[in-house]
Amino acid sequence: EPEVTQTPSHQVTQMGQEVILRCVPISNHLYFYWYRQILGQKVEFLVSFYNNEISEKSEIFDDQFSVERPDGSNFTLKIRSTKLEDSAMYFCASREQGAISYEQYFGPGTRLTVT
Amino acid sequence: AQSVAQPEDQVNVAEGNPLTVKCTYSVSGNPYLFWYVQYPNRGLQFLLKYITGDNLVKGSYGFEAEFNKSQTSFHLKKPSALVSDSALYFCAVRDMGTGGFKTIFGAGTRLFVKA
Repeated sequence: EPEVTQTPSHQVTQMGQEVILRCVPISNHLYFYWYRQILGQKVEFLVSFYNNEISEKSEIFDDQFSVERPDGSNFTLKIRSTKLEDSAMYFCASREQGAISYEQYFGPGTRLTVT
Repeated sequence: AQSVAQPEDQVNVAEGNPLTVKCTYSVSGNPYLFWYVQYPNRGLQFLLKYITGDNLVKGSYGFEAEFNKSQTSFHLKKPSALVSDSALYFCAVRDMGTGGFKTIFGAGTRLFVKA
């Protein structure tokens, strides 16, 4: 069964450093998402991406964040200058084109630890 | 705005007993509702969804959910709990109000099934 993959599974970085989290969505999916989950808290939406542009972003997704689909398979989330409060689990998700009722498929997540 | 609420932080049940994890929703228009499960150090796995049709929806691993429009509820149920069902369960709703059609999650309910 096709699945969303994410790398790395765990990233440790120092405050102020740039990080890039990588995702490979399911191949025929056209909608892509990033969510985050601070430890012990709810899953929060960050950004959605379709047709090579951001379709929606939350207030969390400020100028420090950016997303890119550099090729036909990868979908990346970049944090330019990490802060301690960016420590969280980051989930990538994808959805196929069609009915908006289609479920989103989530990757296993990348745990980001900012020290 | 679309939202879901999970009133219980934790549910404890003995193996073999029926389980219920509660969820209520608040949406404008017809709701698209989902349940996801998260096992320790794992991503979010789709369990089931309600779009339209029968109020009782069957999903993965023997789970089912009952959509109740008058009570605006979408409780997750299983007739006989297994120890392996112990995990974090999220109720979610599709946001129909914006172009990204993101998923909005509840706070999560931790299920403990005791042998």
